[in-house]
Amino acid sequence: QKEVEQDPGPLSVPEGAIVSLNCTYSNSAFQYFMWYRQYSRKGPELLMYTYSSGNKEDGRFTAQVDKSSKYISLFIRDSQPSDSATYLCAMKKRSGPGGGNKLTFGTGTQLKVEL
Amino acid sequence: DAGVTQSPTHLIKTRGQHVTLRCSPISGHKSVSWYQQVLGQGPQFIFQYYEKEERGRGNFPDRFSARQFPNYSSELNVNALLLGDSALYLCASSPRTGETYEQYFGPGTRLTVT
Repeated sequence: QKEVEQDPGPLSVPEGAIVSLNCTYSNSAFQYFMWYRQYSRKGPELLMYTYSSGNKEDGRFTAQVDKSSKYISLFIRDSQPSDSATYLCAMKKRSGPGGGNKLTFGTGTQLKVEL
Repeated sequence: DAGVTQSPTHLIKTRGQHVTLRCSPISGHKSVSWYQQVLGQGPQFIFQYYEKEERGRGNFPDRFSARQFPNYSSELNVNALLLGDSALYLCASSPRTGETYEQYFGPGTRLTVT
């Protein structure tokens, strides 16, 4: 079983829709939760991050973490064609100052927002 | 400010050959991590270096090695290439190691092994 599970999609939605992207994880040591956006043949771009549980909002994007269920979500409001990309969830254990930076990624969900 | 830069952009090698990939982190960042991303999968952690010391190693064979230079740039070396090494190799830069969420990725080097 993978430490981080993510539905690969593809997910196709009409412009203006609310998009919900999700990941589940099995390792309770994960404390940092990130969402990256990756356009085709490009490197991942950091979109959102959350430390421990809770919600975080940034413009059209909202990230949620439910540690009791080991479940994280990214919501995109008023989706645009420019949001079409692969969305990767990533997680990191708390390692203390001087510890490591290893990220564990999901497989990514391919999103297409259609006109 | 310049982001993370990687070279070369694309590379085609033959099985059994050796390859060296290069990464320059964001100015002021002291940590560099390397990831392998196979088509259709998420990136897999290979190595992390912080101030020239190895701080983490993923589950990759000894054919993979890396180092970090005094200017914090880094090289990833892969020996005895296999077809399965074909992937996008990503470099991630961070200002610190440990308690941080900040990792910024470069555009990657796409390696094709034939």
